[in-house]
Amino acid sequence: DMKVTQMPRYLIKRMGENVLLECGQDMSHETMYWYRQDPGLGLQLIYISYDVDSNSEGDIPKGYRVSRKKREHFSLILDSAKTNQTSVYFCASSLGHQDTQYFGPGTRLLVL
Amino acid sequence: GDSVTQTEGLVTVTEGLPVKLNCTYQTTYLTIAFFWYVQYLNEAPQVLLRSSTDNKRTEHQGFHATLHKSSSSFHLQKSSAQLSDSALYYCALPDSGYNKLTFGKGTVLLVSP
Repeated sequence: DMKVTQMPRYLIKRMGENVLLECGQDMSHETMYWYRQDPGLGLQLIYISYDVDSNSEGDIPKGYRVSRKKREHFSLILDSAKTNQTSVYFCASSLGHQDTQYFGPGTRLLVL
Repeated sequence: GDSVTQTEGLVTVTEGLPVKLNCTYQTTYLTIAFFWYVQYLNEAPQVLLRSSTDNKRTEHQGFHATLHKSSSSFHLQKSSAQLSDSALYYCALPDSGYNKLTFGKGTVLLVSP
């Protein structure tokens, strides 16, 4: 059963706190992604990971960093969260960039 | 750079009538796959259609799309819209410069009774 999981599903943080969003997949996909979704802006790519310790910036990497130490696990870190990072964050995985991306259920992050 | 354009932010249609969501693109890739993703309220995006063959109709869940490389288009259509089709639809294609998908801004489809 192909699945992408995300934890936590909902998170409230205060401005300046650190945030860790976790993503897992059971499909042995090499490529994983982090997106954020805001009304009217669609899906914006934050980071791509091509495999363990092989990560590249996406379109909006500022304020974020990632970690991938195992192929099935990809983390998004917000050091000192800002209120404008309030959003819905989606993780996705795929075999390659021309292949179907499978999305996790999303994490709703509110930064106060 | 590569781009995907979805001209309508919102499309409203009455149940049972046909619907068309527009998608045009610019890319330097010669051989690529095109996608339509659908996102229902409070859910994750999921793939609806995928096509890489020029002028071939692809169908799934009652929706269909035909890739037309001559006009750089991959419009999504359905002959009879259902209430359950109300969702956010994204058109996407692989970026020729980077190992990622380029998504359009999305079109919200609202089907009314």
